[in-house]
Amino acid sequence: EVQLVQSGAELKKPGESLRISCKGSGYNFANTWIGWVRQMPGKGLEWMGIIFPSDSDTKYSPSFQGQVTISADKSISTAYLQWTSLRASDTAIYYCAISLEMATIVLDNWGQGTLVTVSS
Amino acid sequence: SSELTQDPAVSVALGQTVRITCQGDSLRTYYASWYQQKPGQAPVLVIYGKNSRPSGIPDRFSGSSSGNTASLILTGAQAEDEADYYCNCRDNNSGDHWVFGGGTKLTVL
Repeated sequence: EVQLVQSGAELKKPGESLRISCKGSGYNFANTWIGWVRQMPGKGLEWMGIIFPSDSDTKYSPSFQGQVTISADKSISTAYLQWTSLRASDTAIYYCAISLEMATIVLDNWGQGTLVTVSS
Repeated sequence: SSELTQDPAVSVALGQTVRITCQGDSLRTYYASWYQQKPGQAPVLVIYGKNSRPSGIPDRFSGSSSGNTASLILTGAQAEDEADYYCNCRDNNSGDHWVFGGGTKLTVL
């Protein structure tokens, strides 16, 4: 069974750093694209970026380039989303999702989401 | 342009057919994928490619595309189909990222 298990909710202060995780199981982690999606409170989905763990090929949305870092450790089947200096506007639910479909990149399996709250 | 435009809200009577549309220049080059999201839940892929459904998605969901418009068609809407629906497509400028539409809130009356 394919599973994506994300790390727990976080409460952070503005300016703090943070790394959240997404552990995959039940599929070939290294050779499957894994992406991150943001959903701000009461708002829609925003595509942040995607990584291919085997070679760490990473593609970012222009809106998130330079704002976050996406990485993956294939030895432990875990992907990460990282901030160096959080802002209140980073408050959101962050989903990881994978593309098992081979012909095209679509997000066909999703994690449960990680709520990040940034507040002073 | 990498923008995808959706109607904010659409309603359908129980058992009737509804079309949810998504417009954008990228749709002239790439197929859209469609995601269903119910309150408090993670999104679920319902349609991708020309008109493919992941396993477990009812066949009342289908997709079509023409020009700069992609459509999610729900034939025989059920109460459990009430949800937010998002289209998603690869950006045709760079091809290196994807973008979501703003989402459509579907109400089943």
